[in-house]
Amino acid sequence: DVKVTQSSRYLVKRTGEKVFLECVQDMDHENMFWYRQDPGLGLRLIYFSYDVKMKEKGDIPEGYSVSREKKERFSLILESASTNQTSMYLCASSLGGVGRRAFFGQGTRLTVV
Amino acid sequence: GENVEQHPSTLSVQEGDSAVIKCTYSDSASNYFPWYKQELGKRPQLIIDIRSNVGEKKDQRIAVTLNKTAKHFSLHITETQPEDSAVYFCAAIFGNEKLTFGTGTRLTIIP
Repeated sequence: DVKVTQSSRYLVKRTGEKVFLECVQDMDHENMFWYRQDPGLGLRLIYFSYDVKMKEKGDIPEGYSVSREKKERFSLILESASTNQTSMYLCASSLGGVGRRAFFGQGTRLTVV
Repeated sequence: GENVEQHPSTLSVQEGDSAVIKCTYSDSASNYFPWYKQELGKRPQLIIDIRSNVGEKKDQRIAVTLNKTAKHFSLHITETQPEDSAVYFCAAIFGNEKLTFGTGTRLTIIP
């Protein structure tokens, strides 16, 4: 089975801190995604990557950056955490091309105080 | 812009009845439309998907229909059961790989 693993299940950070959320997948998938999930707003795409060192902005990239130095790892960075970034963050990965089923990590509940 | 609209946001049906969730998408070039189910406290998981060269796909009690002309697709669940209670998300791929989701439908099955 495909495994997508996020480094933390719960995280509490202070306003202004730099926060790193890590995601690792073990199936050699080309594509990786970061979403945030908020009640009533669904899954909103922050950034995605279709290859190592390649990244594209999603629908809500402001206040976030990403890094993909290795194919299996995709990091989401909150440069200066703010309370409005309190949310559930979900990482996903998928094969490029025809096989596009996406697999999700277990999520990281981030609280910024 | 590239977006997916999903309706309704909540849906309650009697056990044994059918449920239908509808989505529309903005880019006529989109060619892949998956549906995900998220149970409480768990990660979203794919339940069915459809490609643009197919009008309908079934998997036991679940079916998805696609109308490319109207740019909409629907999820149909028949003979609903309590374990169908969950949040359902539709999605579409824009451009090469941008997987974009709708806002979700909370489905409640009433025993």
